[in-house]
Amino acid sequence: DQQVKQNSPSLSVQEGRISILNCDYTNSMFDYFLWYKKYPAEGPTFLISISSIKDKNEDGRFTVFLNKSAKHLSLHIVPSQPGDSAVYFCAASARHTGNQFYFGTGTSLTVIP
Amino acid sequence: SAVISQKPSRDICQRGTSLTIQCQVDSQVTMMFWYRQQPGQSLTLIATANQGSEATYESGFVIDKFPISRPNLTFSTLTVSNMSPEDSSIYLCSVVWRPSGYNEQFFGPGTRLTVL
Repeated sequence: DQQVKQNSPSLSVQEGRISILNCDYTNSMFDYFLWYKKYPAEGPTFLISISSIKDKNEDGRFTVFLNKSAKHLSLHIVPSQPGDSAVYFCAASARHTGNQFYFGTGTSLTVIP
Repeated sequence: SAVISQKPSRDICQRGTSLTIQCQVDSQVTMMFWYRQQPGQSLTLIATANQGSEATYESGFVIDKFPISRPNLTFSTLTVSNMSPEDSSIYLCSVVWRPSGYNEQFFGPGTRLTVL
């Protein structure tokens, strides 16, 4: 049972434009959400997070939006750069499950120069 | 954040053999986690490794297949036993940190395993 879903396995965007990566979840108990970036042959690295008390968190070119009623979050990258080409995973956790994180299947982003 | 290293970074193994993956963290952590990422799949939690106690396995994973050691607060090993081609995957260890009041998870570089 996939509790976190990323329905787009891949995305291509022109350099300088906006990249929007989407993530849906089913468990309403999730209260903390994270995005990870993964390059080939490397482990995932933490990118940005948001708690359920917020609906937006911004860090430089990266902004995460959370829509709790729709159980949806998105990652916006503006402007996109070729170095952003990687696989992006969203993850979710709930306080009552402690350290259990649930991951989506990832979206492979290609930024075209 | 914690710095996590894994050995080996990659290996190619024969069916029926076993491989032990090592994970070293530069800080003492209570819980370490082992994940698997099969091709085209999400990160799947195999087990949680606590120092001084037996690992806790997720549904679908058993100790006989994936024995785990956790001898101290900075080190853990995962063994993939009696391997088959279906075990070909990236194996990642991770730790949970609380830099901002919430748990955040940090990963090692991963071990890419190919079973022939």
